[in-house]
Amino acid sequence: AQSVTQLDSHVSVSEGTPVLLRCNYSSSYSPSLFWYVQHPNKGLQLLLKYTSAATLVKGINGFEAEFKKSETSFHLTKPSAHMSDAAEYFCVVSDPSGGYNKLIFGAGTRLAVHP
Amino acid sequence: GAGVSQSPSNKVTEKGKDVELRCDPISGHTALYWYRQSLGQGLEFLIYFQGNSAPDKSGLPSDRFSAERTGGSVSTLTIQRTQQEDSAVYLCASSFGASGNEQFFGPGTRLTVL
Repeated sequence: AQSVTQLDSHVSVSEGTPVLLRCNYSSSYSPSLFWYVQHPNKGLQLLLKYTSAATLVKGINGFEAEFKKSETSFHLTKPSAHMSDAAEYFCVVSDPSGGYNKLIFGAGTRLAVHP
Repeated sequence: GAGVSQSPSNKVTEKGKDVELRCDPISGHTALYWYRQSLGQGLEFLIYFQGNSAPDKSGLPSDRFSAERTGGSVSTLTIQRTQQEDSAVYLCASSFGASGNEQFFGPGTRLTVL
């Protein structure tokens, strides 16, 4: 079965400092992994996805994530936080067992960015 | 072009009433998904449509929940005899095809059952 665990429910950083949001996954297949962001009262937006190509994936707004099979991790990073990055972030794994892209969401990490 | 739209954006209803939630996917997207986002349960898959058929309904929490899709486009999620535990944000997503393609999410419908 596929699952993801987001290790921190809340992360707080100062503007201009690095961001690290941690995610571990469990998958019976070669996984497809995603990070989605949800700003208050907005829909979910795809930040980036890993689908067995390069292990370092670059996304929008300066975010990137590294797939580490040995550690079953897919942590999201950004070198320098901006106030507009404050949002909830979801690590997601795809379950292909039904022949389609069923998304399994982590519990989410709420990122706060302070001036 | 237009993204996924959902209506209403907010719905307040009384316990025991029926509600209908609507999703308009991106034009040309054959796959459509419903998810539910609630405080206690996070984001949960409800149902998947490919065209007008629903190969996977495994996430529907009870027989009070049903969904249909017509014309390979608009989908309606119906909750009968609503309960307070049905209060949540209901999200719809669509994708071009079903495998490996990005799902685009709508803004959601916030349902409050009093």
